[in-house]
Amino acid sequence: EPEVTQTPSHQVTQMGQEVILRCVPISNHLYFYWYRQILGQKVEFLVSFYNNEISEKSEIFDDQFSVERPDGSNFTLKIRSTKLEDSAMYFCASTAGANVLTFGAGSRLTVL
Amino acid sequence: AQSVAQPEDQVNVAEGNPLTVKCTYSVSGNPYLFWYVQYPNRGLQFLLKYITGDNLVKGSYGFEAEFNKSQTSFHLKKPSALVSDSALYFCAVRDLGNDYKLSFGAGTTVTVRA
Repeated sequence: EPEVTQTPSHQVTQMGQEVILRCVPISNHLYFYWYRQILGQKVEFLVSFYNNEISEKSEIFDDQFSVERPDGSNFTLKIRSTKLEDSAMYFCASTAGANVLTFGAGSRLTVL
Repeated sequence: AQSVAQPEDQVNVAEGNPLTVKCTYSVSGNPYLFWYVQYPNRGLQFLLKYITGDNLVKGSYGFEAEFNKSQTSFHLKKPSALVSDSALYFCAVRDLGNDYKLSFGAGTTVTVRA
């Protein structure tokens, strides 16, 4: 069964450092998302991406965040200058537009 | 805005007993509702969805959910719970707009004891 792949599974970084989280969505999917979950809490929407541009972003997704689809397969989330409160599990998801989002296993980010 | 609420942080049941995880919704228009499950240190796995049609929706792993328009509820059910059903369960609703974005409830931790 096709799956969404995320790397790294866990990243530890120092506050103020840049982090890039990578995702390979399912190949025929057209809509891409990033969500985050702070330790066992609610899953929060960050951003959606369609047709090579952001279609919607939440208030969490401030100027420190950016997304990119550099090569038609990868979908990346960049955090320019990490803060302690960015520590969370980040989930990538994709869909072909059939309503069901398929999620990756997540990337755990720990900011020290 | 579309939203869902999960009134219970935790649900504890004995193996073999029925399991119910509650979800209520608040939407404009017709609701598109979903249940996802998260096992420890894993991603979110789709269980089932309600878009239209029969109010009783069957999904993966023996789970089902009942859409109740008058009570604005979409409770997840399993007739006989297994220890392996212990996980974090999320109800979700599709937001308005054209990008199929989901908004999630706070989650309910299910513990099934042997």
